[in-house]
Amino acid sequence: DGGITQSPKYLFRKEGQNVTLSCEQNLNHDAMYWYRQDPGQGLRLIYYSQIVNDFQKGDIAEGYSVSREKKESFPLTVTSAQKNPTAFYLCASSPSWQPQHFGDGTRLSIL
Amino acid sequence: AQSVAQPEDQVNVAEGNPLTVKCTYSVSGNPYLFWYVQYPNRGLQFLLKYITGDNLVKGSYGFEAEFNKSQTSFHLKKPSALVSDSALYFCAVRVPIQGAQKLVFGQGTRLTINP
Repeated sequence: DGGITQSPKYLFRKEGQNVTLSCEQNLNHDAMYWYRQDPGQGLRLIYYSQIVNDFQKGDIAEGYSVSREKKESFPLTVTSAQKNPTAFYLCASSPSWQPQHFGDGTRLSIL
Repeated sequence: AQSVAQPEDQVNVAEGNPLTVKCTYSVSGNPYLFWYVQYPNRGLQFLLKYITGDNLVKGSYGFEAEFNKSQTSFHLKKPSALVSDSALYFCAVRVPIQGAQKLVFGQGTRLTINP
């Protein structure tokens, strides 16, 4: 089945540690996105990518980094510079100007 | 700034009754509006969209939404609620950014359908 796979489902970060969240899609979509979801705040855009080897900062990019080496993959790294990383992270993809499809998310917590 | 607002954090409806989840928008130009639903510990599922045309948009699972330009609203509706409709609902507007697009979301409305 076509879709977006996020892994792991749950992730724990230690103090000073970088962690990477995986996002893979087999929908052949050009655009991919990372959102952060906090209770009562809706979703906020972290980074997005329209094509391979290109990505742009969203509204809350500080403390995060991404890469887009393959069309299918858009991993997100939460760096130690992100002081409040506890959240639910959602990856999405879309063909140009069409509704976005979402993965099932990764819940990141601090140890 | 382009935004959407969902004025109700929570909506409670009895099973079988009609439901409405409210959304208002503030955009320049023509709004491209969306409704998504989220079940616990899951991603968002697309329900419906308004791009242009008829003001009443039909979507998945029997949901529909009414676009009202004069009131800048895009309320989600369903004639007869099911317990399985209980979930978190998000309204969103598409905003162009540097040749791409992003979604700006409301804060979400938790819908609870009581048996």
